[in-house]
Parts: sequence; C-alpha cells; structure tokens
Amino acid sequence: TQLLEQSPQFLSIQEGENLTVYCNSSSVFSSLQWYRQEPGEGPVLLVTVVTGGEVKKLKRLTFQFGDARKDSSLHITAAQPGDTGLYLCADAYYGGSQGNLIFGKGTKLSVKP
Amino acid sequence: EAGVAQSPRYKIIEKRQSVAFWCNPISGHATLYWYQQILGQGPKLLIQFQNNGVVDDSQLPKDRFSAERLKGVDSTLKIQPAKLEDSAVYLCASSRTGNTIYFGEGSWLTVV
Repeated sequence: TQLLEQSPQFLSIQEGENLTVYCNSSSVFSSLQWYRQEPGEGPVLLVTVVTGGEVKKLKRLTFQFGDARKDSSLHITAAQPGDTGLYLCADAYYGGSQGNLIFGKGTKLSVKP
Repeated sequence: EAGVAQSPRYKIIEKRQSVAFWCNPISGHATLYWYQQILGQGPKLLIQFQNNGVVDDSQLPKDRFSAERLKGVDSTLKIQPAKLEDSAVYLCASSRTGNTIYFGEGSWLTVV
C-alpha cells in the first residue's frame, strides 16, 4: 500500500514570507497532483506533474517533482492570507476507465496579515 | 458550468441513527466518486462509479455503508447505523473518464 507523507503538518507564517512544503511517497508516483482545500470547501486541483525533474509555476507557486518521481515540493513566494488552506498531494492514477487519487494527510498553512 | 452539488452540507446525528447524503455530479461526467475525509487526514476513496456501475468499492465498510447511482447521474451515500468514528466530511467528486477529478464542497457529518 502506497504511503504519502507530507511535511510539515502545520505551518503558520506572516504575510510576505516564503515557504516550502514537501510530499514523499513510499513508491513511484503514477502522476502527482497538488490540491488546495480551503476551510469548508472541497479540494481544488492546482497542478499535475508527470515527468521526473519537472518544474511548474503557477503565479507565486512553484512545484518541483523529484528525479526519481518519489518526492515533490511546493514553494510559495511572498505568501498572502488568501494562500491559507490545506495543501494536499496525491498520487493520481488514470488507467482506462478508472481514475483514482491517493492523498497524503496534508500541510495546514495559515498566513497571518 | 455548474460544479458538483452536495446536500445536506451539515448533519448531526446520534450514534446508531441513519443518514443519507446526495450528490449531483457535473453534467456529462460519467465517473462519480465518494471520498471520506476525517479531520486531520486526506480524503480516502469509499466508492467509485462509472455510469451506474461500481468500479471500486474495496474501502467501503459494507456492513454499514451503501451507495447507489441508479440512473448514472446523481448518487446517494447512506450510513446505517452510524458510529462515532464516522464523523467526517463526505466529499463527492466527478470526472469525465480518465480526466481531472472535481470535488464538491462536502457534507459534514457529526455523530454524537
């Protein structure tokens, strides 16, 4: 059974600071997705990475996929209160008619004004 | 495009009572999922439907949980009898076959 570990579990920072959160898998990812879940909402997809070593940027967010496709990091530059939420990584498998996600426990980020 | 709709948003019941959650997926999405998210954890898949057929229900506690998607559109998840450990958010999600999964806002269940 694949296990996804995310760190840190909690992170509280001031507006304007930079931060990095991590996701490590016990086995190679099929493809890796990062989600943000705001309080009272469902998870929303931020990015999908597939190729080892891949780097993707989404405004102030930078996603990096490890060369061995077993780890990933999410870096946020100049965090804003709107970045507050639970950041989840997931192994996303899409094969034939099936699609499934295995999630980590998430990193709960709080950005204070 | 309307998102995944779920109801009720919040429910409080006593243990051993029953509860049902309803989900209407995004129009045209053949695949529907129910996930359980316990506080402090990531979502865990309970059941996956492709149209009105079950693709994966390996993690569904079948002694107390049931789900159906009779006409291949909306779906109902039922818990009977509820236990304290069933307190969680129940997330419905949908996707076109083999494509991005979209989540609803969730139904929050508290069992007291």
